[in-house]
Amino acid sequence: DAKTTQPNSMESNEEEPVHLPCNHSTISGTDYIHWYRQLPSQGPEYVIHGLTSNVNNRMASLAIAEDRKSSTLILHRATLRDAAVYYCTTKKSSGDKLTFGTGTRLAVRP
Amino acid sequence: EAGVAQSPRYKIIEKRQSVAFWCNPISGHATLYWYQQILGQGPKLLIQFQNNGVVDDSQLPKDRFSAERLKGVDSTLKIQPAKLEDSAVYLCASSLVDRGKTQYFGPGTRLLVL
Repeated sequence: DAKTTQPNSMESNEEEPVHLPCNHSTISGTDYIHWYRQLPSQGPEYVIHGLTSNVNNRMASLAIAEDRKSSTLILHRATLRDAAVYYCTTKKSSGDKLTFGTGTRLAVRP
Repeated sequence: EAGVAQSPRYKIIEKRQSVAFWCNPISGHATLYWYQQILGQGPKLLIQFQNNGVVDDSQLPKDRFSAERLKGVDSTLKIQPAKLEDSAVYLCASSLVDRGKTQYFGPGTRLLVL
């Protein structure tokens, strides 16, 4: 499984964009990049995933580097409810296993 | 649509006692996962079922942990005997058998072993 590296913590102001980086330099060509987030006292929640192209959904955008060795989760306008631990993971296309690192703890200032 | 249900939400036991956790996945989800999340760390997969068969239990400490998924729906995870280092949140997740395989997590059971 590809190892992922994320900053331990980040801060953002409310209603401003947030860019959460992730390095996955050992990713293989068929591994998907998945992002989950975990709000306090809850289980992780799916955010977004992609393979090569940038992806958008109602929660966030995912920008994937051309060499796929890194990706960035973009929250376009952070709200207080976005304060959570964000996990970047990789997943093989042929399997289901997600390997979580320690994630990035995002604090949002009002 | 109802989410993944887990019970109990909290459990406190003494070391060497036994404990069991229950999970009811989202209806129609064939794949079920049990994760262990130690404070300050990300979740770690313990076991994965597809229907009632085990797909991956490589990280399950089989000398003390066991899990079953009878009839391919509900699942139970048991620890016997518990150790202090088993204090953690035990998360259950489920997913459809499809290409996206998004996992949906329950709220978890917080276990404290004294």
